[in-house]
Amino acid sequence: NAGVTQTPKFQVLKTGQSMTLQCAQDMNHNSMYWYRQDPGMGLRLIYYSASEGTTDKGEVPNGYNVSRLNKREFSLRLESAAPSQTSVYFCASSEAGHRGPSPLHFGNGTRLTVT
Amino acid sequence: AQSVAQPEDQVNVAEGNPLTVKCTYSVSGNPYLFWYVQYPNRGLQFLLKYITGDNLVKGSYGFEAEFNKSQTSFHLKKPSALVSDSALYFCAVRETNAGGTSYGKLTFGQGTILTVHP
Repeated sequence: NAGVTQTPKFQVLKTGQSMTLQCAQDMNHNSMYWYRQDPGMGLRLIYYSASEGTTDKGEVPNGYNVSRLNKREFSLRLESAAPSQTSVYFCASSEAGHRGPSPLHFGNGTRLTVT
Repeated sequence: AQSVAQPEDQVNVAEGNPLTVKCTYSVSGNPYLFWYVQYPNRGLQFLLKYITGDNLVKGSYGFEAEFNKSQTSFHLKKPSALVSDSALYFCAVRETNAGGTSYGKLTFGQGTILTVHP
């Protein structure tokens, strides 16, 4: 049981390049999330998907797009990377997108540097 | 909008001593509160949560947290710290919209680095 798997673990991009961060969970969770972690700022929600077929903006969606490919997979795309997007990106999933405070299960993160 | 504050960037404690990591929150309704721990180069791991009921919540690895509604606080505690407890700790509050549904959108505090000295 792998939980939440993110690829790649590390990535260096030049300004203007594009890339997709991949995330997959094997826990049959309905909801999936993308967060970014920056020093001194905690985790900030980029996008989330309450259930398969739906996506919504979080706190910091600008410069990103997402795709909920199926129940297992939720990808994050940077169309034109900027230095401000240098961060550690975490994917997470939870059991229920609706009522009930289910804890989030996190992947191990993708460390992205944009030069 | 809800918010979470962790007033201490760092907490240092000697092994065997009790530890407290502080958290205060602000929400318009009733809060769902969480503590997570992050070890180096890893994702966050769930420690415990408060939903309703008893103000003292017990979680993983001997941690507990005390919910205080009048002080809007949810401090993390452990009676006897271990060196292996050294990590980054996050408090989080769960958003609930007007309809009472909740999509797991957590608002996190900025984190507190806990260092336990041998």
